[in-house]
Amino acid sequence: DVKVTQSSRYLVKRTGEKVFLECVQDMDHENMFWYRQDPGLGLRLIYFSYDVKMKEKGDIPEGYSVSREKKERFSLILESASTNQTSMYLCASSLSLTLGTAGNYGYTFGSGTRLTVV
Amino acid sequence: AQKVTQAQTEISVVEKEDVTLDCVYETRDTTYYLFWYKQPPSGELVFLIRRNSFDEQNEISGRYSWNFQKSTSSFNFTITASQVVDSAVYFCALSESGTGNQFYFGTGTSLTVIP
Repeated sequence: DVKVTQSSRYLVKRTGEKVFLECVQDMDHENMFWYRQDPGLGLRLIYFSYDVKMKEKGDIPEGYSVSREKKERFSLILESASTNQTSMYLCASSLSLTLGTAGNYGYTFGSGTRLTVV
Repeated sequence: AQKVTQAQTEISVVEKEDVTLDCVYETRDTTYYLFWYKQPPSGELVFLIRRNSFDEQNEISGRYSWNFQKSTSSFNFTITASQVVDSAVYFCALSESGTGNQFYFGTGTSLTVIP
């Protein structure tokens, strides 16, 4: 069964800590994404990546960075965690849209990491 | 501006009732894709359906049906004879051809089915 795996389901960190959220997919997907989900705000895109070592800012990149050293792994980094970064973080992956592709196949999501910053 | 609007924040229905979740989208692209995802209490978003902008046929899958109307920019989702297991947050999403694989999600509709 194809999967997107997020390393932690629940995480509690202190303000100012550097936090790493890991995401691994086994589907050989080119694209990977990090979203945060907050009540009333839906899913907001933080960063995404179309290829190894490539990254693009999403809608709310401030306070975050990412790393994609291998195709299957996409890490989200909170440089100095703050309480307003308490949220559910969702990783997703998808096939790349290339010429001749029948269409956009949609995302496969991980189970999410609920991060609390105290 | 919000590209995908789900005006219903929360809906409660009694088991076996039908329920429709609304989704209105905004795009200037002629080629785009619309999706519905279900997020049960476990947290993982589960893909339900994908439609492309050239296919306005309504689709039925068991108790689920989708009504895509380009004239009103809507892609509504109906659950017939709702069950407790349908309780979840449902997200509508839009992907435009010009932005590759980036999705725009609505804010979600939380559905509670009361036994």
